[in-house]
Amino acid sequence: AQSVTQLGSHVSVSEGALVLLRCNYSSSVPPYLFWYVQYPNQGLQLLLKYTTGATLVKGINGFEAEFKKSETSFHLTKPSAHMSDAAEYFCAVSGNSNSGYALNFGKGTSLLVTP
Amino acid sequence: DAGVIQSPRHEVTEMGQEVTLRCKPISGHDYLFWYRQTMMRGLELLIYFNNNVPIDDSGMPEDRFSAKMPNASFSTLKIQPSEPRDSAVYFCASSLGTGRIYGYTFGSGTRLTVV
Repeated sequence: AQSVTQLGSHVSVSEGALVLLRCNYSSSVPPYLFWYVQYPNQGLQLLLKYTTGATLVKGINGFEAEFKKSETSFHLTKPSAHMSDAAEYFCAVSGNSNSGYALNFGKGTSLLVTP
Repeated sequence: DAGVIQSPRHEVTEMGQEVTLRCKPISGHDYLFWYRQTMMRGLELLIYFNNNVPIDDSGMPEDRFSAKMPNASFSTLKIQPSEPRDSAVYFCASSLGTGRIYGYTFGSGTRLTVV
């Protein structure tokens, strides 16, 4: 089954510092990968996605992620953290045809940005 | 488009009572998903529909849970009878196609508390 593992349930960075949120996937088929962000008391919002093609994917709010097949990773980065980036971040992988390609989510990483 | 609309935003009920959660997907989206979010288990897929037809309900925890989609613009998730362990945030999401290509659009969720 397709799954993702997010390393680190909590990450703390200083404002202006690099943000790195880790995600590793397991998939028996070419993966379709996603990053979502959840602000308090809100639903999940799509940040970016990888389907095929270019392995470096740019998303909203200055975030980007790189698909590395050899490392089975899809880490999320942002060069300079902003206070407004504080939120919960979820990595997800599309399932296979048996599951209707439904997304399987990681447990999430809570990002704290300190002044 | 107003996005995916869920109601109510918050629900507090007593154990044993029936609870009904509602969802209006984005017009034109042909897939609808119900997820449950808890601290312990993260985001779990409960059930999904394609063109109003339930396709996979293997994530529904017990017979106390049921979901319907009588038309393309409305879905319900019912819990009868409710139990304290059902307390969670329930999300509805919709997508054009399986979501594999474009991802899902999530509603703001319903926070259910069963006392």
